[in-house]
Amino acid sequence: EDQVTQSPEALRLQEGESSSLNCSYTVSGLRGLFWYRQDPGKGPEFLFTLYSAGEEKEKERLKATLTKKESFLHITAPKPEDSATYLCAVAVAYGQNFVFGPGTRLSVLP
Amino acid sequence: DTAVSQTPKYLVTQMGNDKSIKCEQNLGHDTMYWYKQDSKKFLKIMFSYNNKELIINETVPNRFSPKSPDKAHLNLHINSLELGDSAVYFCASSHAEYGQFFGPGTRLTVL
Repeated sequence: EDQVTQSPEALRLQEGESSSLNCSYTVSGLRGLFWYRQDPGKGPEFLFTLYSAGEEKEKERLKATLTKKESFLHITAPKPEDSATYLCAVAVAYGQNFVFGPGTRLSVLP
Repeated sequence: DTAVSQTPKYLVTQMGNDKSIKCEQNLGHDTMYWYKQDSKKFLKIMFSYNNKELIINETVPNRFSPKSPDKAHLNLHINSLELGDSAVYFCASSHAEYGQFFGPGTRLTVL
């Protein structure tokens, strides 16, 4: 069964304290891995797509990397406005298209 | 300018009723989706619709049916609503398997 897990479930950082979020996946065939940000009461906001192991994408303080079994979202010198739930999703080769992980709830304290 | 819009934002109804949620995207995407986010915030895909091809998540009850009048719209019809249908429903769209763009969500409460 296709599965996506994320760790930690919740993370509290001080402003400027860099860290990483993990997304591990077990799928029958990976077509792509996606990162989203979700603020309370809103829909997920697309951040990155990664397609192959070794690929990296960057946007402001965020950097996403991909290996054959997991992806990391690195947050460098976070600010309070980076507080949100970060969701990882995979597009699988067969059957239903997308499988989402449970998310990591990030809080950045000033 | 809204890329993916949904109506209504909130929907409160009695058990057994039939209701619809509308979704429109102005991004020119070829694929649209419906997701359910439960109280634990887990996002689960319900349907994807691409060029008249409908892929249904096998766990979705047949009381739920998507209807697409055209490429920019994918509505969700729900018959005989049950308490367990209470959740936030998100519409999304994408071009092929690039990143999806989500609507603001519809919070459905079944009493």
